[in-house]
Amino acid sequence: GEDVEQSLFLSVREGDSSVINCTYTDSSSTYLYWYKQEPGAGLQLLTYIFSNMDMKQDQRLTVLLNKKDKHLSLRIADTQTGDSAIYFCAESGAGNNRKLIWGLGTSLAVNP
Amino acid sequence: GAGVSQSPSNKVTEKGKDVELRCDPISGHTALYWYRQRLGQGLEFLIYFQGNSAPDKSGLPSDRFSAERTGESVSTLTIQRTQQEDSAVYLCASSPTETQYFGPGTRLLVL
Repeated sequence: GEDVEQSLFLSVREGDSSVINCTYTDSSSTYLYWYKQEPGAGLQLLTYIFSNMDMKQDQRLTVLLNKKDKHLSLRIADTQTGDSAIYFCAESGAGNNRKLIWGLGTSLAVNP
Repeated sequence: GAGVSQSPSNKVTEKGKDVELRCDPISGHTALYWYRQRLGQGLEFLIYFQGNSAPDKSGLPSDRFSAERTGESVSTLTIQRTQQEDSAVYLCASSPTETQYFGPGTRLLVL
């Protein structure tokens, strides 16, 4: 069945770049998403990419998609302590029901 | 503008009781989703509504779970005869097209 996998933890120093990786199995995925969840807060949509794109950049965020390897990454440049959160990768298929299939989330710790 | 709202924010109930969770989507969003997030696990899809079409209930874990939505407005998720394994955060999302915007969730604890 459909599956999305992510590493569970990542620790970086403030000012460094963070790279969070995700792999998925559904080759028919249409959109791939990154959500951020801070402690006690809801899920915030960070960015998303259409499956026919290789890269999307939005300020400090860069998303890379390797469709052949079914690999998605999120790079956060100049990581700040405010970026500490859980980052979820999710994918959806085509069609009307774009239900999201989620990874377990990567907990990013930013050390001063 | 107003985002997705959910109520209650927290609910503690006794095993065997029924609970009703409410979701107010963003105005104009035709699609509405319910997900469940159990501790230490990823989000699980429960049910999807799109306009007046028949809902996709394929994610509901048992017949104790049901949901309703009238048109493109409020949705309610009902869990009958709650069990301890129903304890989770229940999240609602509304969507205009390919993006889903989430509410803060209802944290349900079944004792």
